[in-house]
Amino acid sequence: EVQLVESGGGVVRPGGSLRLSCAASGFTFDDYGMSWVRQAPGKGLEWVSGINWNGGSTGYADSVKGRFTISRDNAKNSLYLQMNSLRAEDTALYHCARDRNVDTAMPGSDAFDIWGQGTMVTVSS
Amino acid sequence: QSALTQPASVSGSPGQSITISCTGTSSDVGGYNYVSWYQQHPGKAPKLMIYEVSNRPSGVPDRFSGSKSGNTASLTISGLQAEDEADYYCSSYTSSSTQVFGTGTKVTVL
Repeated sequence: EVQLVESGGGVVRPGGSLRLSCAASGFTFDDYGMSWVRQAPGKGLEWVSGINWNGGSTGYADSVKGRFTISRDNAKNSLYLQMNSLRAEDTALYHCARDRNVDTAMPGSDAFDIWGQGTMVTVSS
Repeated sequence: QSALTQPASVSGSPGQSITISCTGTSSDVGGYNYVSWYQQHPGKAPKLMIYEVSNRPSGVPDRFSGSKSGNTASLTISGLQAEDEADYYCSSYTSSSTQVFGTGTKVTVL
C-alpha cells in the first residue's frame, strides 16, 4: 500500500524549533518530488515547501523562507522539514504529499496524488 | 504570493450541476497549465480530483471536470451527489517557482 506517515509534531514555544519527518512506503521514493503542505485550524491549505527527487532543487513559500529547511534521505525513504524561529502563525496540521509525476524537475510544479494524514504543530507560550 | 480566489460556498440539489471558480493572475493560473483541484472531507487528507487543468486521475468519477479561461480556472460537478459535499481547493504553479492554493469552497448538497 502506498503510504505517507508524518511524525514529529508537538507543542513548542515561539522562537523554538521542531523537525518533522515523513516516512514513505509502497513506492519508489527516490523517483518522486515531495512537498509539505499545512492547514491552520479551520483554515485553508498552504504550500510550505517542496523538493525534487534527488534533493538538488528546493522551493519555499515566502512565509517560511529563511526559517524552514526541507530535506530528504532517499536511503531511508524519508522526507524532513526543519522548522526554526517558529511563530504562532505556524500553528497548523502539516501534511507531506507526493508529486503525481516521477522526476518532476521543479518543486511545487506538480499536483499531489498521495497525502499523509498530517502531524500537528502548535506554537504557543 | 496571495491565495487564489474561490467563492466561500456553493450549493446545489442532488442531480444538479455546480461550478466552482478559481481566480488568479497571469503569474499563476493564467500563465501555466498546472492547475489542480482537491476535495477534502472533514478530518481527512485532501484528495486529488483534477490535474493539469482538466485531467482526472484514475478512480475519479467523470462527473468532475475542469477547465480554464484566462486567469480563471473552474471545477464543474455534474449530477451532484450527497458524497460530493466537502471542501474544494484549487492550486496553481506560480512564476515564483512556488505553488499557491485557493481560499477554498464549501460545497453543500441541499
